[in-house]
This record gives sequence, C-alpha cells and structure tokens, in this order.
Amino acid sequence: DIVMTQSPDSLAVSLGERATINCKSSQSVLYSSNNKNYLAWYQQKPGQPPKLLIYWASTRESGVPDRFSGSGSGTDFTLTITSLQAEDVAVYYCQQYYSTPYSFGQGTKLEIK
Amino acid sequence: QVQLVQSGAEVKKPGASVKVSCKASGYTFTGYYIHWVRQAPGQGLEWMGWINPNSGGTNYAQKFQGWVTMTRDTSISTAYMELSRLRPDDTAFYYCARGPLVVVVAALGAFDIWGQGTMVTVSS
Repeated sequence: DIVMTQSPDSLAVSLGERATINCKSSQSVLYSSNNKNYLAWYQQKPGQPPKLLIYWASTRESGVPDRFSGSGSGTDFTLTITSLQAEDVAVYYCQQYYSTPYSFGQGTKLEIK
Repeated sequence: QVQLVQSGAEVKKPGASVKVSCKASGYTFTGYYIHWVRQAPGQGLEWMGWINPNSGGTNYAQKFQGWVTMTRDTSISTAYMELSRLRPDDTAFYYCARGPLVVVVAALGAFDIWGQGTMVTVSS
C-alpha cells in the first residue's frame, strides 16, 4: 500500500502571504506510459465534505481560484496558496489514485497568523 | 446541478448493520464510478472502495472486505454502502464521491463531487 505523508501537520500564515504544503508518497505515483502523476489535493472546511482543488498533481479544478497551484512529480508534491485569504482556512489533504487502496495524507491544518 | 445527496444520520448498536444511500442528480449516474470514504471524528480520510454503477462491479479496500457491500439501483440513480458487524470505532462520517468515467480503467481518477456526508454513530 502507498503511504502518503504531509508536512507540516499545521501551518499559520499571515493574510496575503504564501502557504506551502508538502506531500510525499512512499512510492512513485507517476505512470510512465502517460507521464501523469496520479495525485490530487482536497480542501476540507469545518462541517463540510472535502472539495477537489487539484488533480494530475497540477491541474486546477474548474472554479478553483488561481492562487492555488500544485507541483511536483514522482514522490514529492507541493500545494501552494499564494496571497492567503481568510476563506482558505481549512484542512488540506493530498491523495494518490495510482493504485488501490487509494490513500490520503494525514492532513495539514491551515490557519491565519 | 451535479450533486450527490446522502441519507440522514444513523445511530446503531454494536453488531448491527447500517446502509447508507447516495442519490446522484445532474449527470448520467451509470457513467461515473462512485467511491465511499469515511472520516472518524477529528480524523483523516479513509477510502473504503468503489462501485461501477454501470456494471455493478466493485473494488473494496482489503480492510473492509467481508463486511462492506456496495450496491446500486440504476432506476433511481442511487448507490448504497452497507457496513455490517458495526463496532464503536466505526463511528464516522461516511461520504460518497464521484470518480472518473467508467471507461477509465480501475477508477484511476480524482473524486470531483462529494456527498454531504452521513454520520453513523455506533454506541450501546
């Protein structure tokens, strides 16, 4: 099974500043046949279900603000939020869908400093 | 609009079973995989398995094999997840989520639409 590990567990960033969340997989989630990374990022606000932000490691879901971006390949990935807004306070999860059981990181709680 | 609407909260005793429903609307139900994910209070997300609503085929996480059953009723665009032999540590929110098109091999795609969640409490 692929283990997803996020860092840090929690993060406090000032409004308007950049937030960076890292995700590492225990094995590569890059399919060489199509050169795609089977990695997604989700945002979960209190009392709500998760919301898809990024898929294929760097493709933004429709309607997601462009201050959210994903990068990385193979086993190391990053979610970056430029110019943090108050509404970005949430827990963020990475997920691999390279192989079952699909697994999520433990989550990173993002707060305002 | 595209949405998944789940059944209401449940309270069950240990050893009982629970069946959660997930009704799809705004898209062709049989065209996309449905996944089930659970989240214990204050904890992270745990994938349970998927169902192909077109064929009825399923793929369960090994942890849940033998005590989870995923089914669907295409006439009412609804997927179901039944968990048996409940224990107190099964207390969690249970979410359904839409996966990729069923033509995608092995449901290898992100989850783009989520249900609102169903809280299942297991307590004596």
